[in-house]
Amino acid sequence: NAGVTQTPKFRILKIGQSMTLQCTQDMNHNYMYWYRQDPGMGLKLIYYSVGAGITDKGEVPNGYNVSRSTTEDFPLRLELAAPSQTSVYFCASSPRTAPGELFFGEGSRLTVL
Amino acid sequence: AQKITQTQPGMFVQEKEAVTLDCTYDTSDPSYGLFWYKQPSSGEMIFLIYQGSYDQQNATEGRYSLNFQKARKSANLVISASQLGDSAMYFCAMREGGATNKLIFGTGTLLAVQP
Repeated sequence: NAGVTQTPKFRILKIGQSMTLQCTQDMNHNYMYWYRQDPGMGLKLIYYSVGAGITDKGEVPNGYNVSRSTTEDFPLRLELAAPSQTSVYFCASSPRTAPGELFFGEGSRLTVL
Repeated sequence: AQKITQTQPGMFVQEKEAVTLDCTYDTSDPSYGLFWYKQPSSGEMIFLIYQGSYDQQNATEGRYSLNFQKARKSANLVISASQLGDSAMYFCAMREGGATNKLIFGTGTLLAVQP
């Protein structure tokens, strides 16, 4: 089982560049989430989605955008990267039957220089 | 607004002893869920245990149990018979009820199990 797959695992960006972190899940989960984890800190919710076509902001949405055109995919777009966006990004999904029991991807480490 | 607080940045415990990791929460929603996750040094996030706000019994999963005290708004994780492999970061999280299913995490507690 693939579960939740994130790509890329590592990326270095220059200030002002843009990129998309890809996330796909093969478990037919309704709910999907994007979190960032700064060194030594907890996870902060960036955006989440309760189903295809529905997204909402989390705790720290500024500088990011998402879309959810299919149940499987939930890409995170970084526009005009800033050093403050240096972090590890986690995508996660959960089923309608157990909301909050998250299945996480392996994380994507992003460095903005 | 929902809030999760973990006041212990780090803890030591001797192998085979029990340890309690603290978590307090704040919400005005009567329906909510509380979760604990483990993050080993390898970085992956692992779901451990869940407690619903209407559950009468404290949740248990193997060596993990959740000490749920609703009036105090606390949801402490108890690990019995600690093992070296329990050394990790532990995060408490809360989901409010309704359709949003937004899950918010605390700042975490780093547990070090000593032989």
